Amino acid sequence: DAGVTQSPTHLIKTRGQHVTLRCSPISGHKSVSWYQQVLGQGPQFIFQYYEKEERGRGNFPDRFSARQFPNYSSELNVNALLLGDSALYLCASSLRNGAGTDTQYFGPGTRLTVL
Amino acid sequence: DQQVKQNSPSLSVQEGRISILNCDYTNSMFDYFLWYKKYPAEGPTFLISISSIKDKNEDGRFTVFLNKSAKHLSLHIVPSQPGDSAVYFCAASGMDSSYKLIFGSGTRLLVRP
Repeated sequence: DAGVTQSPTHLIKTRGQHVTLRCSPISGHKSVSWYQQVLGQGPQFIFQYYEKEERGRGNFPDRFSARQFPNYSSELNVNALLLGDSALYLCASSLRNGAGTDTQYFGPGTRLTVL
Repeated sequence: DQQVKQNSPSLSVQEGRISILNCDYTNSMFDYFLWYKKYPAEGPTFLISISSIKDKNEDGRFTVFLNKSAKHLSLHIVPSQPGDSAVYFCAASGMDSSYKLIFGSGTRLLVRP
């Protein structure tokens, strides 16, 4: 079975631009969470979508937005890119809402570089 | 405010010996703890987890211990193998927002042949 897939693998943008990152969850999974991992740190929670509704948001500015589609895939959008947005963006999927024993499985990530 | 801390950035162990990775947390509302392993250019891979109602969980070579009074958990790998060399992240979730994983900064484990 295919795991969580993300596209693109790598992306280079300049300050002020907009970016869209995509994620396809494991088949049958209804929840997608987005995390940002800056070099030398652990992943930091950005959003969770469950059954196409936003269920939680981390401490990120409004420049960050996301949505989940009827097929449970998801997009993360970041507007007005800053140098500090350079990071690995990870998507995780889970069967239900990703709480407790409902394990979150991660994709390989999208490496975003902002110049 | 780092709620989950991994104070050792790196650990080096001889193949066949025990690897012990440590993690401390500050939020008493955390009720579920997980360990993920990450290889370069890959996403984190789930390894093992433990609920706050338990103090030990074992899966093959991997055992996680939880000491709630000390707000401390550890991952034991016995015996360690060169393929275990990776970055290990401790994560926690709480009753207030149970879907949100809070990660530590990771410990890089090197298992020497």
